[in-house]
Amino acid sequence: EVQLVESGGGLVQPGGSLRLSCAASGFSFSSFWMTWARQAPGKGLQWVATIQEAGSAKFLVDSVKGRFTISKDNAKNSLYLQMNGLRAEDTAIYYCARVRNCNGACWHFDYWGQGTLVTVSS
Amino acid sequence: QTVVTQEPSFSVSPGGTVTLTCGLNSGSVSTSYYPSWYQQTPGQAPRTLIYNTDTRSSGVPDRFSGSIVGNKAALTITGAQADDESDYYCVVYLVAGGIWVFGGGTKLTVL
Repeated sequence: EVQLVESGGGLVQPGGSLRLSCAASGFSFSSFWMTWARQAPGKGLQWVATIQEAGSAKFLVDSVKGRFTISKDNAKNSLYLQMNGLRAEDTAIYYCARVRNCNGACWHFDYWGQGTLVTVSS
Repeated sequence: QTVVTQEPSFSVSPGGTVTLTCGLNSGSVSTSYYPSWYQQTPGQAPRTLIYNTDTRSSGVPDRFSGSIVGNKAALTITGAQADDESDYYCVVYLVAGGIWVFGGGTKLTVL
């Protein structure tokens, strides 16, 4: 069974840093692209970042470029999101999700974690 | 900047049929954007319903279907049930830039 479990959320002051983790199990983690998405309180979903299976290619939404870094450790079956320079508008539930691409023939998120809440406030 | 548009809200009667749409500010949604649809109930993680425009994810009832209608991706629910009352999000994938863009979501009410 595919499982994705996020951790690392919490309360942080503006300008601070947090590192989110996503522990994956039940599939060959090294063979899949992975994604972070977020949802601000009462708002819709927003894609944040995606990383290729080997970690060599990374893609981020413009609003987090230069502040957030996505990485994955295939030996530890873990996905990470290092968040620096946090702002109030980064307050959200952060979800990790597995990307299924069918060798380039389909692109979507097929499994989601339950999310971890990040609150940026003084 | 690419913006994906969805109806903010929609209402359907139990047993009825509803079609939610997903458009692009920059033109038409086509299969090359790999549109996918996700259902989310309050306090829960999203659930994948449809991918590749019209392919149902494993375990999704066949009352959910996806298509392209005109210049938009569409999610149709046929024979709506009370537990279909949820938020529905579409996502398009911009292959060239390696980015995804979510629509703002549609809040579906079944009453």
